[in-house]
Amino acid sequence: DTAVSQTPKYLVTQMGNDKSIKCEQNLGHDTMYWYKQDSKKFLKIMFSYNNKELIINETVPNRFSPKSPDKAHLNLHINSLELGDSAVYFCASSPGSLVRFFGPGTRLTVL
Amino acid sequence: GENVEQHPSTLSVQEGDSAVIKCTYSDSASNYFPWYKQELGKGPQLIIDIRSNVGEKKDQRIAVTLNKTAKHFSLHITETQPEDSAVYFCAARPNSGYALNFGKGTSLLVTP
Repeated sequence: DTAVSQTPKYLVTQMGNDKSIKCEQNLGHDTMYWYKQDSKKFLKIMFSYNNKELIINETVPNRFSPKSPDKAHLNLHINSLELGDSAVYFCASSPGSLVRFFGPGTRLTVL
Repeated sequence: GENVEQHPSTLSVQEGDSAVIKCTYSDSASNYFPWYKQELGKGPQLIIDIRSNVGEKKDQRIAVTLNKTAKHFSLHITETQPEDSAVYFCAARPNSGYALNFGKGTSLLVTP
């Protein structure tokens, strides 16, 4: 029983491409997040949705667009991928405002 | 915004010894301080947390202490085991909002 799942686990793509990462949680949580972990392991919030509404939108290039079709899903679409986008992207969820569960991560490599 | 400093960046201990990781935060309005353990190839896992109205919290071999005046909090792991080897992150959450600000992580190695 995976609480927070992400697909794909690995994503290798060329610069300039558009790609999506999907996230689903089966915990019934109201809040979902996207975090980025860079090569030095630093974790930084990107977005947060509460009941399908965007509540956090950090300083992230507008090439990144989150979409929440329902409370259980928060997908991340990235346009015109750049080398600097290479990182591990983590989805997370929480019943309120305290992050509880992280997904397994998606390692994005832009060539 | 909130700035969270974490030390040390790497820590190596012998099995059975204690390990201590320290964090400081800048926003005195922060009220929630979780700790996460990240094993290789996995997502961070919440292991313990503490709120600003509590000074200490313990869960088996893991304890967290909070000094609000000094704006620092620490993770203590006693009787370390090789499976405790991982990267540990502290985080702080400002009084309002949903975002956690993370420290840069401590890579803990427990040698048999």
